[in-house]
Parts: sequence; C-alpha cells; structure tokens
Amino acid sequence: GENVEQHPSTLSVQEGDSAVIKCTYSDSASNYFPWYKQELGKRPQLIIDIRSNVGEKKDQRIAVTLNKTAKHFSLHITETQPEDSAVYFCAASKGDDKIIFGKGTRLHILP
Amino acid sequence: NAGVTQTPKFRVLKTGQSMTLLCAQDMNHEYMYWYRQDPGMGLRLIHYSVGEGTTAKGEVPDGYNVSRLKKQNFLLGLESAAPSQTSVYFCASSYSGFRRTGELFFGEGSRLTVL
Repeated sequence: GENVEQHPSTLSVQEGDSAVIKCTYSDSASNYFPWYKQELGKRPQLIIDIRSNVGEKKDQRIAVTLNKTAKHFSLHITETQPEDSAVYFCAASKGDDKIIFGKGTRLHILP
Repeated sequence: NAGVTQTPKFRVLKTGQSMTLLCAQDMNHEYMYWYRQDPGMGLRLIHYSVGEGTTAKGEVPDGYNVSRLKKQNFLLGLESAAPSQTSVYFCASSYSGFRRTGELFFGEGSRLTVL
C-alpha cells in the first residue's frame, strides 16, 4: 500500500523567514496530495492541495510543488508568522477513497 | 450546521472493556473515516466507508469494528480494549472521496485512555 514519508519531524524558523516541509510517496498511482494544519488541541484542517496534473499551486503565503517523476512534494511557507506555528501533515491518495498521511512536522516560529 | 460531531470527547476504559465512539455529520457527505493519532505517528486510517451500508479496512484495522447503518453516522467499536488503543481518535467526512473535492472535514477528536 501507499507509504508517505515526511521530513523534518521538527522545524524551527525565525519569524519572517521561509519554511519548507518535504514528503515522498511510494505509489506512483497516487494523484492527490493535500496538506493539513493542526494547531495545538485542535482538529486538522486543509490548507492547500494539489493534483497530479499540476506542478505547483499557490495560495497567498503558502505553496505546494509536486515532482511526479521523483514522487515527492513540498510545502513552502513564506514570510512566516507566529500563527504558522502548528503541526503540518502531508498526505497522498490514488483515488481509491483512502488517504494516507505522513507522520507530521512540528513547525516552531521563533520571535 | 454542526459539521462533524464526535461523542464522547473523553473516555477512560479498563483493559477488556468495550465501547463505541459515535461520529455524526450533517453535511450529507458520502464518505466517512476513522483515524487514530499517536505522538510521532501522524494520522493512521483505521476504517472508512464510501456510503451507507459500506465499510472498508484502513491501515490499522485490528481490534476495531465499524458500522454505517445511516448515512450521517459512522460508529467505531472496541470489543475488548487494550492499552495499545490509548489514543486520540478523529472522525472525518468528505463529499465525494478524493476523485473530486478531496477535502476531509474532521471532528474535534475523542481522547481514549485504556488502563
């Protein structure tokens, strides 16, 4: 089955700097790649997603890139702010109704 | 519009006891899921359902059973609880699976402790 690896497990960046979180997936049939943000004590919420027919997608300060050949995708957050501190999860799905998550990255924004 | 509601939110069980977690959604979603979240392990799929009357196994189904008798409800059962099932359980739903919209709407989570 699908396996999603996520790195790093913890990331600390200075406020205003950029943060990058990387994920790899194992099943070349996967075609949908969402990212979820989970604030402390809260439920995960979708922040951005990308499908396999697109190489990059942006939404204000966040962007996701996808390299199908290498089977990896990344989340980029620019101009980080304190409210970006959270756990971020990548995930992959091949349209068979399951979605498999990575183990998460805890992002700390330092003042 | 409450979204996805889970009950109970907290529960303490003794080893061997049974219990049921209830997930209810009012968004008329076809797809529903149960995940467990453990430190450092991310969100792992237990079971899921693609419509009323259907269920399917996820990544970690052992020790759990599910039922989807009504479209709006998805029940997760533990027949004989074990300490390894201590976790936070999240229910989620989505409109049409991942072929179209893809977005999962999560409940607030249910914290289960098995002593």
